[in-house]
Amino acid sequence: GDSVTQMEGPVTLSEEAFLTINCTYTATGYPSLFWYVQYPGEGLQLLLKATKADDKGSNKGFEATYRKETTSFHLEKGSVQVSDSAVYFCALSYSGGGADGLTFGKGTHLIIQP
Amino acid sequence: GAVVSQHPSRVICKSGTSVKIECRSLDFQATTMFWYRQFPKQSLMLMATSNEGSKATYEQGVEKDKFLINHASLTLSTLTVTSAHPEDSSFYICSATRYTTSRGGSDTQYFGPGTRLTVL
Repeated sequence: GDSVTQMEGPVTLSEEAFLTINCTYTATGYPSLFWYVQYPGEGLQLLLKATKADDKGSNKGFEATYRKETTSFHLEKGSVQVSDSAVYFCALSYSGGGADGLTFGKGTHLIIQP
Repeated sequence: GAVVSQHPSRVICKSGTSVKIECRSLDFQATTMFWYRQFPKQSLMLMATSNEGSKATYEQGVEKDKFLINHASLTLSTLTVTSAHPEDSSFYICSATRYTTSRGGSDTQYFGPGTRLTVL
């Protein structure tokens, strides 16, 4: 079946550091890929998504590019802030994100220190 | 906009009792609602998909008689854990899809904050 693998946390960085959270997937078809973020005490929120190969999703300074050849969707940000501290989930779905359930990775806890 | 609530946020019950968890879309009508389960340090696992007015579709390995799902309206879905046992203790999360006519139809899933169930 389909699966998503992402780097285990916690990941601890200093403010203004460069961030990469790795995500790879296995899928039988051509899914859409997502990054969700969960802040303490809140529900998961869509951070960005890409629906086909070579698409780049971006939001709030975060970016991820759908790489079909490496089956990857790594999350990057050039300069992190303390407010970026959260748990980040990589996920895939065979719809644009609404019609089908999502397959999630285990989540990566990101801690940004001042 | 696009807020999803869950009630209760935490529940503790005795083994053998049933527990109902509500999931509501507060400011939109949800064509589809999903229920996920999350174990500590594990990913969210899709349990079932429900559409208003029809029977839920359960994922393989999920007992439909233990996890009863009712999607009575476009803003409310309930998950009832029947005859709960300690192994049912988990974090249950719902999501709801807001239908939009743009971009081909179904939109993003909006997630509730989750319900922590502890069965003693």
